[in-house]
Amino acid sequence: AQTVTQSQPEMSVQEAETVTLSCTYDTSESDYYLFWYKQPPSRQMILVIRQEAYKQQNATENRFSVNFQKAAKSFSLKISDSQLGDAAMYFCAYRSPPLRGNEKLTFGTGTRLTIIP
Amino acid sequence: GAVVSQHPSRVICKSGTSVKIECRSLDFQATTMFWYRQFPKQSLMLMATSNEGSKATYEQGVEKDKFLINHASLTLSTLTVTSAHPEDSSFYICSGGASGGWETQYFGPGTRLLVL
Repeated sequence: AQTVTQSQPEMSVQEAETVTLSCTYDTSESDYYLFWYKQPPSRQMILVIRQEAYKQQNATENRFSVNFQKAAKSFSLKISDSQLGDAAMYFCAYRSPPLRGNEKLTFGTGTRLTIIP
Repeated sequence: GAVVSQHPSRVICKSGTSVKIECRSLDFQATTMFWYRQFPKQSLMLMATSNEGSKATYEQGVEKDKFLINHASLTLSTLTVTSAHPEDSSFYICSGGASGGWETQYFGPGTRLLVL
């Protein structure tokens, strides 16, 4: 079974600065998908960014980018120019490819990000 | 992105009663829907996966007779907590995914259940 580990229960960053959230995972599969979800105080889960394992290029979405290290099974999230609205719980998630018939997400335990004004 | 709604957003019930939570995909057809449970300050725990027109697949440790899941159409799944007890109090979240590819799971806003 796959496991996802987020070793930082809490992080804080000064507004406008950059912060990196860590995520490692364990799998025997060669093809899979990785996601970062954000859960603000409203508790609505929001997709931040996603990465396909077969792609070597790191995904980027505006101020959000990932550092995907397949050999190391690492998938960190970098938030640049942090804004107050970025304050939330961030979850890293793993998913097997659809052809295996298992589309469920395996979540890490989350990292609570605080933005300091 | 696609929108998933949940109803009700919050429900308080007496112990022993049953509660039904609806999950709807508003602008896409969700061939697969997932139900999660989240305790305070914890991660999401998958309870079950349901495919339209077939029986749900429950995760180990989840009582299928207590948490009844129905996925009768491509836009609606329901979770019924039968004979609810205080320990069932939690935050329940659904998500929907379309078939094929690796479409992202889109999450509903969640339902907070409090059993007195």
